Amino acid sequence: EVQLLESGGGFVQPGGSLRLSCSASRSTSGRHAMAWVRQAPGKGLEWVSTIDYNGGRTYYAESVKGRFTITRDDAKNTLYLQLNSLRAEDTAVYYCAQVSWPTHFDFWGQGTHVAVSS
Amino acid sequence: EIVLAQSPGTLSLSPGERATLSCRASQSITSTYLAWYQQKVGQAPRLLIYGASKRATGIPDRFTGSGSGTDFTLTISRLDPEDFAVYYCQQYGSSLWTFGQGTKVEIK
Repeated sequence: EVQLLESGGGFVQPGGSLRLSCSASRSTSGRHAMAWVRQAPGKGLEWVSTIDYNGGRTYYAESVKGRFTITRDDAKNTLYLQLNSLRAEDTAVYYCAQVSWPTHFDFWGQGTHVAVSS
Repeated sequence: EIVLAQSPGTLSLSPGERATLSCRASQSITSTYLAWYQQKVGQAPRLLIYGASKRATGIPDRFTGSGSGTDFTLTISRLDPEDFAVYYCQQYGSSLWTFGQGTKVEIK
């Protein structure tokens, strides 16, 4: 079992940027694909982005394509999500999750809050 | 993009009762690619079922997933007080992952 811990959330104005991090408790070799899933206040879960086991392929929801970038640094056991051109509708708790490729998310972090407001 | 519709939106039941949650896909999906999650208030989601019917590690056998094609069901045979939560189905297809809107199981 892997423990995931997100960080980097905060308050930002529209048009601003943030970088989220997700630290894994063990080495990601034996690597897994990883993903970000978000949840707006009082709403359901929305998949945001996935990166494959070696960072070679990335996938994005239409709602964030061109604005968000997912990367990984396996030497640091860390997943990242760069959020640019933020909008009010990006306000959410952002969870990182391990992907049991390609079908489902088997381990989740506790989430980090992102609030976009003027 | 495949859309998942969950019903009902809210299920009001008493502990010990049976819960039946539905997840309907806008087009047929491979059973391998259908999962269910439980989310309690203030907590992260937890994987319950994957491959439509396989229980994740540590999930009690009162949780059963079934279905195929476009219609999938999560059944909780006898509700335990800790089972009152929101449940989401999720599917993978064409390099996209999508969730249903959730079913809240609340105490009657």
